[in-house]
Amino acid sequence: DGGITQSPKYLFRKEGQNVTLSCEQNLNHDAMYWYRQDPGQGLRLIYYSQIVNDFQKGDIAEGYSVSREKKESFPLTVTSAQKNPTAFYLCASSILPPMDQPQHFGDGTRLSIL
Amino acid sequence: AQKITQTQPGMFVQEKEAVTLDCTYDTSDPSYGLFWYKQPSSGEMIFLIYQGSYDQQNATEGRYSLNFQKARKSANLVISASQLGDSAMYFCAMREPLYSGAGSYQLTFGKGTKLSVIP
Repeated sequence: DGGITQSPKYLFRKEGQNVTLSCEQNLNHDAMYWYRQDPGQGLRLIYYSQIVNDFQKGDIAEGYSVSREKKESFPLTVTSAQKNPTAFYLCASSILPPMDQPQHFGDGTRLSIL
Repeated sequence: AQKITQTQPGMFVQEKEAVTLDCTYDTSDPSYGLFWYKQPSSGEMIFLIYQGSYDQQNATEGRYSLNFQKARKSANLVISASQLGDSAMYFCAMREPLYSGAGSYQLTFGKGTKLSVIP
């Protein structure tokens, strides 16, 4: 079955620590995205990538970094510079184009501060 | 800036009844698209239905239909014959082009409506 796999489901970060969230897709989609969701809010775009070895900042990229070394994988690192990392993180992918195709989402990772 | 407004933080509906979830949007771009997603308590985002700005007819997908009123800039989701499994958060989102081109886009989300289906 094709889909997007995010791991871990739950993650805890200590002060000053970087943590990496995994996102893998087997849908053969070109574009991948990372969103952040805070309680009672919609999703906000952190980073996106349209092609291997290329990625762009979204609306709230500060304190985050990404890589896209393989088409299937788009890991997100939450750095110590992100002062309020507690949130629900969702990875998505889509084909390119047309733009009327939906983004498909993984099951998410809940990140909390210890 | 594009914006999505969902004015109903929470809604209740009796099982087997129909329910309408409101969504209004703001954009000056003549070409846009509107998506509805369902988010159960487990957290995953499930795509429900899409409406393009140039589509002549309202979109329908099974029990889901979209009441698209372009002049009013509204795209309300109608769920017919509600089921207990429909209890979830529902998000309206608008497609916003990403300037790096290649047809990729960002989704701008509303704050969501929590739907509770009562047996």
